[in-house]
Amino acid sequence: AQSVSQHNHHVILSEAASLELGCNYSYGGTVNLFWYVQYPGQHLQLLLKYFSGDPLVKGIKGFEAEFIKSKFSFNLRKPSVQWSDTAEYFCAVRAGGFKTIFGAGTRLFVKA
Amino acid sequence: NAGVTQTPKFQVLKTGQSMTLQCAQDMNHEYMSWYRQDPGMGLRLIHYSVGAGITDQGEVPNGYNVSRSTTEDFPLRLLSAAPSQTSVYFCASGQGTTFTGELFFGEGSRLTVL
Repeated sequence: AQSVSQHNHHVILSEAASLELGCNYSYGGTVNLFWYVQYPGQHLQLLLKYFSGDPLVKGIKGFEAEFIKSKFSFNLRKPSVQWSDTAEYFCAVRAGGFKTIFGAGTRLFVKA
Repeated sequence: NAGVTQTPKFQVLKTGQSMTLQCAQDMNHEYMSWYRQDPGMGLRLIHYSVGAGITDQGEVPNGYNVSRSTTEDFPLRLLSAAPSQTSVYFCASGQGTTFTGELFFGEGSRLTVL
């Protein structure tokens, strides 16, 4: 069965620190990859997506992610986090068909 | 510009009661789905639909029923609620004929089963 693994469940950073959240998936074929963000008390919003082409994709609010096919990974990065980035981040994969599978999420807390 | 609308936002049920979570979208999306969100488990797909009259099971379908009579609406029914169904439920929609996996989410419905 397809699965998505997020390496860290909780991350605490100080403002201006750099962020990298890991995501690996288990599927050998063509995938569409996503990162969603859920701010406290809100619904999920799309942060960025990868379908094909340049494996380095840029999203909203200064986030970017890199698709490394050989490692089945799609890690999320941001050079300098802000207090307002405090949220839960979900990696998701569509590996054929009509199912988008989500990871367990990473809760990020940014200290002001 | 409503997007995906879910009702109710909060609900408390007793074990064995039934209820329906409503979901409507105004983006003319053919694809609609229901997820449940539980701490440490992310979002798990319950049921999905690729168009009116077409539904299919996701990862955790037991205890839930769905139907899709119109493009806009995709209600989720709990026929006999159990405490294990205490969760936050999200409805999501997406393009159907060219489904990429990208989803547009509602604001969620928090259900507590006592």
